[in-house]
Amino acid sequence: QKEVEQDPGPLSVPEGAIVSLNCTYSNSAFQYFMWYRQYSRKGPELLMYTYSSGNKEDGRFTAQVDKSSKYISLFIRDSQPSDSATYLCAMRKETSGSRLTFGEGTQLTVNP
Amino acid sequence: EPEVTQTPSHQVTQMGQEVILRCVPISNHLYFYWYRQILGQKVEFLVSFYNNEISEKSEIFDDQFSVERPDGSNFTLKIRSTKLEDSAMYFCASPGGLDSPEQYFGPGTRLTVT
Repeated sequence: QKEVEQDPGPLSVPEGAIVSLNCTYSNSAFQYFMWYRQYSRKGPELLMYTYSSGNKEDGRFTAQVDKSSKYISLFIRDSQPSDSATYLCAMRKETSGSRLTFGEGTQLTVNP
Repeated sequence: EPEVTQTPSHQVTQMGQEVILRCVPISNHLYFYWYRQILGQKVEFLVSFYNNEISEKSEIFDDQFSVERPDGSNFTLKIRSTKLEDSAMYFCASPGGLDSPEQYFGPGTRLTVT
């Protein structure tokens, strides 16, 4: 079983739609949950991260973590064509300096 | 966002040659990381480096790989005797702060082994 599972898509939505991106994981030791955005052949860009369970909001982006279900989500409100990219979930243990474990990434296209 | 820089942006090498990839991480942090991403695949952890020593390494990071911090600001990944399957994007990453859990990635070096 993969430690982190993410539907690779592709996902195509019209401009203005609410986008929901999700990951599941199997390792209960993961405590930090991150979302990155990646454009083709570029480095992952950190969008936001959460610690343990709960919600976090940053502008049009909301991250949710449900540790009981081992399920995390990223919601994008009022999606824009500029949001078109691959979205990566990543997570790590609480131990100082722990590695990130990534999902496969979901390719999102927002159509004008 | 803190900036991590990497050079070169693209490296082409012949199979069996040695390559050195360079990174300038966010300054004054003790942890540094290398990851790689084969085209179309997920980002994979290679190695973490703490206080001038390897802290953790993955099964990918075998004897053909080495990391060094040759001076106070640079951080290198050396791949000896490159293989075709080493072709990938290689990313260096730094934490956002001394005790920060998040990691910031550099733009990557695209390594092509022919």
